[in-house]
Amino acid sequence: GDSVTQMEGPVTLSEEAFLTINCTYTATGYPSLFWYVQYPGEGLQLLLKATKADDKGSNKGFEATYRKETTSFHLEKGSVQVSDSAVYFCALSRMDTGRRALTFGSGTRLQVQP
Amino acid sequence: GAGVSQSPSNKVTEKGKDVELRCDPISGHTALYWYRQSLGQGLEFLIYFQGNSAPDKSGLPSDRFSAERTGGSVSTLTIQRTQQEDSAVYLCASSYARDIYEQYFGPGTRLTVT
Repeated sequence: GDSVTQMEGPVTLSEEAFLTINCTYTATGYPSLFWYVQYPGEGLQLLLKATKADDKGSNKGFEATYRKETTSFHLEKGSVQVSDSAVYFCALSRMDTGRRALTFGSGTRLQVQP
Repeated sequence: GAGVSQSPSNKVTEKGKDVELRCDPISGHTALYWYRQSLGQGLEFLIYFQGNSAPDKSGLPSDRFSAERTGGSVSTLTIQRTQQEDSAVYLCASSYARDIYEQYFGPGTRLTVT
């Protein structure tokens, strides 16, 4: 079945450091890919998405590119802030099969220190 | 506008009792999803509604779990004869039928089975 693998956390960075959180997926066909973020005490929010190969999703300074050849969707940000501290989830859905449920990775906790 | 709301926010119950969890989706969202988030299993899909029907129930872990949706709006997830392994945060999400990519999540119900 479909699956998503993320790097384990926590990831601890200093403010203004470069961030990469790795995400790879296993799925046949053409999944849509997402990054969701869960800030402390808040619900899950969609951060960015990409629906086909080579698409780049971006939001709030975060970017991720859908790489079909490496089945990856790594999250990057050039300069993190303390306010980016949260848990980040990579996810996929199979719109091509009509299955709309999200399959999530295990989540990566990011801690940004001032 | 109002987001997805869930009640109760916390529920503590004794093993063997039945519980009902409620989800109120964003007005106009015809699609509704239930997930659960637990330490051991991460974020798992449970069931998906389109209107009042549930075309995908594949994530319900046992026949103790059921869900219904009435009037194309509020949904109730019922767990009968609760077990300790049912302890988790139960998340509800909703989306427009035409915007199939973005699911909006509620704050969750934390269920503790003692």
